[in-house]
Amino acid sequence: DIVMTQTPLSSPVTLGQPASISCRSSQSLVHSDGNTYLSWLQQRPGQPPRLLIYKISNRFSGVPDRFSGSGAGTDFTLKISRVEAEDVGVYYCTQATQFPITFGQGTRLEIK
Amino acid sequence: QVQLVESGGGVVQPGGSLRLSCAASGFTFSSYGMHWVRQAPGKGLEWVAFIRYDGSNKYYADSVKGRFTISRDNSKNTLYLQMNSLRAEDTAVYYCAIATVRGLDYWGQGTLVTVSS
Repeated sequence: DIVMTQTPLSSPVTLGQPASISCRSSQSLVHSDGNTYLSWLQQRPGQPPRLLIYKISNRFSGVPDRFSGSGAGTDFTLKISRVEAEDVGVYYCTQATQFPITFGQGTRLEIK
Repeated sequence: QVQLVESGGGVVQPGGSLRLSCAASGFTFSSYGMHWVRQAPGKGLEWVAFIRYDGSNKYYADSVKGRFTISRDNSKNTLYLQMNSLRAEDTAVYYCAIATVRGLDYWGQGTLVTVSS
């Protein structure tokens, strides 16, 4: 199974400041079709997860442009350019390159 | 708009069975694969099972293989998860989610399963 490791596990951030979350996979996420099925999910308190970013760097419908994704191979990053109060929650990276689908442990974003 | 509504959760004794349903609307259900994902109280996400759009292929997490069965009825726009031989560690909120080339696009609100005597 592909292990997804996120750092940090907790990120206190000041409103208006940037935030960054790293995700490393135990093996390359490049699929045989050439795509890299790495995505980022946001889970606000008491809510189900929501897709933010797919295939490393593509924002899903309705996702603000302050969210961006980057990376390649086994190392990926989610960045929030200016944190807003509504960004509080837990962020997960996930891979769908091969079964079983796996998730990172989650990174809790909180406001200082 | 896309809507996924899970139901069927509840309290069940260890060794018991439960069937979850996920009613889909707002998209062409028969064209998409579907996942079940669970989240134990206060914990992270754990993928459970996947079924192709036509039901021809199914995949399971090792933790549920042989005990859980994923299925779908495209005529009813409904996804199912039959859970047998339930254990305390199966206690979680169970979510259904749409599978696309993007990943797990849309998620339902979840249904809580509690395995306890």
